[in-house]
Amino acid sequence: AQKITQTQPGMFVQEKEAVTLDCTYDTSDPSYGLFWYKQPSSGEMIFLIYQGSYDQQNATEGRYSLNFQKARKSANLVISASQLGDSAMYFCAMREPRGANSKLTFGKGITLSVRP
Amino acid sequence: DTGVSQNPRHKITKRGQNVTFRCDPISEHNRLYWYRQTLGQGPEFLTYFQNEAQLEKSRLLSDRFSAERPKGSFSTLEIQRTEQGDSAMYLCASSADDREGQPQHFGDGTRLSIL
Repeated sequence: AQKITQTQPGMFVQEKEAVTLDCTYDTSDPSYGLFWYKQPSSGEMIFLIYQGSYDQQNATEGRYSLNFQKARKSANLVISASQLGDSAMYFCAMREPRGANSKLTFGKGITLSVRP
Repeated sequence: DTGVSQNPRHKITKRGQNVTFRCDPISEHNRLYWYRQTLGQGPEFLTYFQNEAQLEKSRLLSDRFSAERPKGSFSTLEIQRTEQGDSAMYLCASSADDREGQPQHFGDGTRLSIL
């Protein structure tokens, strides 16, 4: 079974509007961490936001926030006030257990295009 | 604060040749990871070092692949007798410690093309 599922086709959003990028995950470990990364066309993976499985509140980082629904095993990324520079691939990733001595398992990614 | 550095950025070679990539992590990071990313996919884990010790290897890392981190600083990834299927982006990442939420910081990658 896929551990990280990102099934949205290419997403489009108008500049200055908000957009939600979906991510569902599968794990039997109660301790895990979820990450979102941005990959522009240049190729570098840029860390955006982190949510731990025991965190009581949804993570926020500037214009990025995570809609974490543990029972549904989803961790959707919300980007507010979209900018042209947000156009990129976005990857959801999981680390289980949540310590750093563990690899990241990535989804297939979602392409986001911001329209002026 | 310099980020993760990977060289070369691009490598084109003929099938059957050997190639070597280098990764210089962020200086205070003792954990180093290699991933492979093919077109339209997310990165897939290859191997992981803590200091100079290679602690985990994926089954994706066939006998033709070898990675080293001899002094616990930079790392090299070598592919021997390259095949068409080795064409991919090879990404290196590093992290500082095992605190929860510590992200892995990625380099720009080395894009390998096999002719």
